[in-house]
Amino acid sequence: EVQLVESGGGLVKPGGSLRLSCAASGFTFSSYSMNWVRQAPGKGLEWVSSISSTSGYIYYADSVKGRFTISRDNARNSLSLQMNSLRAEDTAVYYCARSGIAVADFDYWGQGTLVTVSS
Amino acid sequence: SYVLTQPPAVSVAPGQTARITCGGNNIGSKSVHWYQQKPGQAPVLVVYDDSDRPSGIPERFSGSNSGNTATLIISRVEAGDEADYYCQVWDSGSDHWVFGGGTKLTVL
Repeated sequence: EVQLVESGGGLVKPGGSLRLSCAASGFTFSSYSMNWVRQAPGKGLEWVSSISSTSGYIYYADSVKGRFTISRDNARNSLSLQMNSLRAEDTAVYYCARSGIAVADFDYWGQGTLVTVSS
Repeated sequence: SYVLTQPPAVSVAPGQTARITCGGNNIGSKSVHWYQQKPGQAPVLVVYDDSDRPSGIPERFSGSNSGNTATLIISRVEAGDEADYYCQVWDSGSDHWVFGGGTKLTVL
């Protein structure tokens, strides 16, 4: 069974940093691209970042480029998102999601971790 | 950047067919994916590549895509289908994934 479990969320002050992690199991992690998607309270889904299976391709949404860094450790079946210079508008539930058959679709999602940026 | 436009809300009676649209410039040339999200839960992929269904998704869920509009079609709607639905595409022009704003489906 595919499982994705996010951790690392919490309350952080504006300008602060936080590192999110996603532990993957139930599939060959090193064969799949992975993604982060966020959802602000009461709002829709927003794609944040994606990384290919070997980390050869990395993409960021304009809203986080230069502040967030996505990475993965295939030996540990782990995906990470380093978030720096956090802003109030980064407050959201952050989901880890696996890329699916179509590559551009996200076929499995974690339950999410809440990041709150507030003074 | 590429924009996907969805109606904020759609209502349908049980047993009827719900159609949720997703508009975008020449979206027919892209592959569209659809997600269902119930309150307090993570999104679930219900249709990928315009009209394919992942395993475990009922045949009642289907899709179409042509011109400037993609459509998620839910036949014989049930109370359990009440949820937010999002369309998504990969925009090769910007190397970005794009989500529509979401549509709240209400089963009357």
